[in-house]
Amino acid sequence: GQQLNQSPQSMFIQEGEDVSMNCTSSSIFNTWLWYKQDPGEGPVLLIALYKAGELTSNGRLTAQFGITRKDSFLNISASIPSDVGIYFCAGQLKGSNYKLTFGKGTLLTVNP
Amino acid sequence: NAGVTQTPKFQVLKTGQSMTLQCAQDMNHNSMYWYRQDPGMGLRLIYYSASEGTTDKGEVPNGYNVSRLNKREFSLRLESAAPSQTSVYFCASSPGVKNIQYFGAGTRLSVL
Repeated sequence: GQQLNQSPQSMFIQEGEDVSMNCTSSSIFNTWLWYKQDPGEGPVLLIALYKAGELTSNGRLTAQFGITRKDSFLNISASIPSDVGIYFCAGQLKGSNYKLTFGKGTLLTVNP
Repeated sequence: NAGVTQTPKFQVLKTGQSMTLQCAQDMNHNSMYWYRQDPGMGLRLIYYSASEGTTDKGEVPNGYNVSRLNKREFSLRLESAAPSQTSVYFCASSPGVKNIQYFGAGTRLSVL
């Protein structure tokens, strides 16, 4: 099936540092979503993007829908310990009305 | 604010046993989904139901069956469990608009 290449797979950072992660594909997407999963919980939506070039913020989080519609990135500024978790990108392929394709996730560890 | 509720939270089965994972949503969403999550694999779609009365296969449907009992409930059945089905299972629902999916807390299944 279609794949999203999410990188990096994991990150170890110090509290206060900024973080950047991204997802790329060879396919065109109509929607990009970013989720966070805490240990033992289900993914929770952070940011939704619907237009090429769109830049959206949610507190310290900023995400962008790539102009080519084949990629997206997520930035976290001034990280704090509660940012720890797995971050997933998900995209709705052009022509796919109901299904999302998920990246494999970025495991973020923040050292206090 | 229950959202998406999954039962049970944990289950241990022996190879060959059968069981049904239950999922209910109280958000009046049209679409519902079952995923499995394995280490390093991200979320993989097993089955989905775009609307009440319809079900379709996802990426990894083998060994599973589903029932969309009504608009609220979508169950996943393992007829003869195998060790390869050891995983964390997530149910999700979506209103269909923009395809934002909301996840339950998951069922952790071990097949011995």
